Amino acid sequence: EAGVVQSPRYKIIEKKQPVAFWCNPISGHNTLYWYLQNLGQGPELLIRYENEEAVDDSQLPKDRFSAERLKGVDSTLKIQPAELGDSAVYLCASSDVMDTQYFGPGTRLTVL
Amino acid sequence: GNSVTQMEGPVTLSEEAFLTINCTYTATGYPSLFWYVQYPGEGLQLLLKATKADDKGSNKGFEATYRKETTSFHLEKGSVQVSDSAVYFCALTPTGNQFYFGTGTSLTVIP
Repeated sequence: EAGVVQSPRYKIIEKKQPVAFWCNPISGHNTLYWYLQNLGQGPELLIRYENEEAVDDSQLPKDRFSAERLKGVDSTLKIQPAELGDSAVYLCASSDVMDTQYFGPGTRLTVL
Repeated sequence: GNSVTQMEGPVTLSEEAFLTINCTYTATGYPSLFWYVQYPGEGLQLLLKATKADDKGSNKGFEATYRKETTSFHLEKGSVQVSDSAVYFCALTPTGNQFYFGTGTSLTVIP
């Protein structure tokens, strides 16, 4: 069974540029999470989807971040415009039953 | 509120040494507890979990026991290997779909 797929693995951009990250969860997993992981820290939730509905986006900075999961399968997280402080690893995770998450390898973003 | 506190690293051990990484938690109700491991350049992998008091989670020689009276879930391994070098995260979920992670403990095992 394929795991959670994320792309790109690495991204370097200039500040004020837009950037997008893509996630394909494990087949059949209805719940999808986007997390932010700063260096030396644990993951912090940005948004959680149940199928195509965003059920928890309270920690998503909506002035510059947006996300979508149009068909309830893969998802895109976008930042526009990026700021220096957005440099971090963006993790995607999915789950099929409660309390077991599977993580992708993450996208490491560097904003110059 | 819900939170996880784990011992700060980094931790450096010699191969075959005994490992303990402390984790305590604050939570509403009766959360499920987890340990995740993150190898360099990779995402988090579930190492073990426990869903109720006195449960013991175990995997790959690692163990942790859900202690409700001390609100703890300490990770232990009797004999670490170089391949265990990674960052370990303690986590909880009170609801099954909201997760709270500790800050991680970096472990380096030297031959």
